[in-house]
Amino acid sequence: NAGVTQTPKFQVLKTGQSMTLQCAQDMNHNSMYWYRQDPGMGLRLIYYSASEGTTDKGEVPNGYNVSRLNKREFSLRLESAAPSQTSVYFCASSEAGQSFSTDTQYFGPGTRLTVL
Amino acid sequence: AQSVTQPDIHITVSEGASLELRCNYSYGATPYLFWYVQSPGQGLQLLLKYFSGDTLVQGIKGFEAEFKRSQSSFNLRKPSVHWSDAAEYFCAVAFSYNTDKLIFGTGTRLQVFP
Repeated sequence: NAGVTQTPKFQVLKTGQSMTLQCAQDMNHNSMYWYRQDPGMGLRLIYYSASEGTTDKGEVPNGYNVSRLNKREFSLRLESAAPSQTSVYFCASSEAGQSFSTDTQYFGPGTRLTVL
Repeated sequence: AQSVTQPDIHITVSEGASLELRCNYSYGATPYLFWYVQSPGQGLQLLLKYFSGDTLVQGIKGFEAEFKRSQSSFNLRKPSVHWSDAAEYFCAVAFSYNTDKLIFGTGTRLQVFP
């Protein structure tokens, strides 16, 4: 049981390049999330998916797109990377498809992204 | 605005000493409260959570937290710190049931000296 896995672990991009961050969970969870973590700012929600086939914007969605490919996988895409998107990105999942804010979230190990 | 404050950016304690990490939130109603721990290079792991009932909550790894409505606080405590507790600790709050927003504090980095 691997929990939540993320690829890649590290990535360096040039401004304007695109890339997709992959996330998968093997806990049969309904809800999945993408956060970014910046120094002194805690974690901020980018997008979430309360169930397969649905996605919704979080606090900081601009510059990102997501795809809930199936129940297991939730990807985050940067279409045209900017230096302001340099951050550590965490994927998380939780069991509930409703009222996810009160459910325990399980986090992946993160992707450290640098945009030059 | 709804917010979560962790006043201490960095705390240093000696191994075996007691620990208290502070968390305050701004809102009138009883929120849903969480403490997460992030070890170096790792994702976040839930330590404990509070929704209702007994205001003293026990968590994993010997941690506990107490909800004090009058002070809008949810402080994390441990009676005797181990070197393996060195990590970053995040308080998080959901201000209502079925909201799309879990707000994290900015974190407190704990350093443990032998």
